[in-house]
Amino acid sequence: GAVVSQHPSRVICKSGTSVKIECRSLDFQATTMFWYRQFPKQSLMLMATSNEGSKATYEQGVEKDKFLINHASLTLSTLTVTSAHPEDSSFYICSVRGQADTQYFGPGTRLTVL
Amino acid sequence: DAKTTQPNSMESNEEEPVHLPCNHSTISGTDYIHWYRQLPSQGPEYVIHGLTSNVNNRMASLAIAEDRKSSTLILHRATLRDAAVYYCILREGGSNYKLTFGKGTLLTVNP
Repeated sequence: GAVVSQHPSRVICKSGTSVKIECRSLDFQATTMFWYRQFPKQSLMLMATSNEGSKATYEQGVEKDKFLINHASLTLSTLTVTSAHPEDSSFYICSVRGQADTQYFGPGTRLTVL
Repeated sequence: DAKTTQPNSMESNEEEPVHLPCNHSTISGTDYIHWYRQLPSQGPEYVIHGLTSNVNNRMASLAIAEDRKSSTLILHRATLRDAAVYYCILREGGSNYKLTFGKGTLLTVNP
């Protein structure tokens, strides 16, 4: 399967600042990537679908102006949390749509907003 | 998205088989049955998927009921590393490859 990395693995920031999370597909050309969020003790929630070279498709209730997604290449997608607030603290996970109807997930990024 | 129902938690003993059930009574003819698992503080990991026929791979087996309204993930010999939350997910056929995660089953493996 595809190897997916995320950077950073953990980030702590002050309220009001912006944070960028990178998702890289190391050995697979990812035309489609997904971004999820997971709060403690809860399941993953899909935030958006990102297709290389086009605008992301956001799920209902996810603010596109707050969670900026860029998928400019077949190996990199970025999620920028703008003007982060404590309620944005969460575990952010990306995935790559692989062959044979599978998704390969990154290790996740733990965001803490103070 | 069609929904699935799984037990909140299950326990097993090391080196014994584990059968994780999933009900999906509203499944449509084009829905694929996917299983992923998530270890603590990690991203999910693909386990197996199928449409109508039973499937086997190096990690597990997937047994799908004839009416497709339920399925069972089978771990043939549980190890401590299999302790995780297991998610049964229905993925709609077509070009939409989104996965909608439910609460899953927390599997505890006793030594």
